Amino acid sequence: TQLLEQSPQFLSIQEGENLTVYCNSSSVFSSLQWYRQEPGEGPVLLVTVVTGGEVKKLKRLTFQFGDARKDSSLHITAAQPGDTGLYLCAGDRGSQFYFGTGTSLTVIP
Amino acid sequence: DTGVSQNPRHKITKRGQNVTFRCDPISEHNRLYWYRQTLGQGPEFLTYFQNEAQLEKSRLLSDRFSAERPKGSFSTLEIQRTEQGDSAMYLCASSFQGRDGYTFGSGTRLTVV
Repeated sequence: TQLLEQSPQFLSIQEGENLTVYCNSSSVFSSLQWYRQEPGEGPVLLVTVVTGGEVKKLKRLTFQFGDARKDSSLHITAAQPGDTGLYLCAGDRGSQFYFGTGTSLTVIP
Repeated sequence: DTGVSQNPRHKITKRGQNVTFRCDPISEHNRLYWYRQTLGQGPEFLTYFQNEAQLEKSRLLSDRFSAERPKGSFSTLEIQRTEQGDSAMYLCASSFQGRDGYTFGSGTRLTVV
């Protein structure tokens, strides 16, 4: 059973469009992180959110942690081909981070 | 410090052979994690060390898998009697006290034929 479910699993959009990726769980996390992974490489940390309701912005990326600290979303504005990759959320349950199922994003020029 | 280093990057082995992977974490990081990732999926936790102590192991880590971190620095992950189902990307990550996220290596891609 996957602790964190991400949706959609696959997303293919045109350059310039906006998109939102969701990360949902029935469990509460003390913090949640988003990573981006390119083929053949390890995940790279994008952001950590800690407080319920917290919103963080990283250039064209906006991350939100749910009020109950069970879910999160990632919104990308005006997507670019360089945003292509596997987006992973990961929740902190104490000793380790549990990773979501991933959203594979393709931005078409 | 060049980040987390994993060797080899790729390994092809015959079923039944033993393989060993190495991970060199960021030197200031006291925690080291091993994850396994199959194509299109998120990483699955295998085990983690705080300094030289192995503090937690996943049920995914069968008796054929063993991990060590002898001096609290580099770590090795050994798989004995490999099976085709072991084919995956094996990722190592390190952190300081689990805070501020993990820094991952580039992984070792294992193919068992």
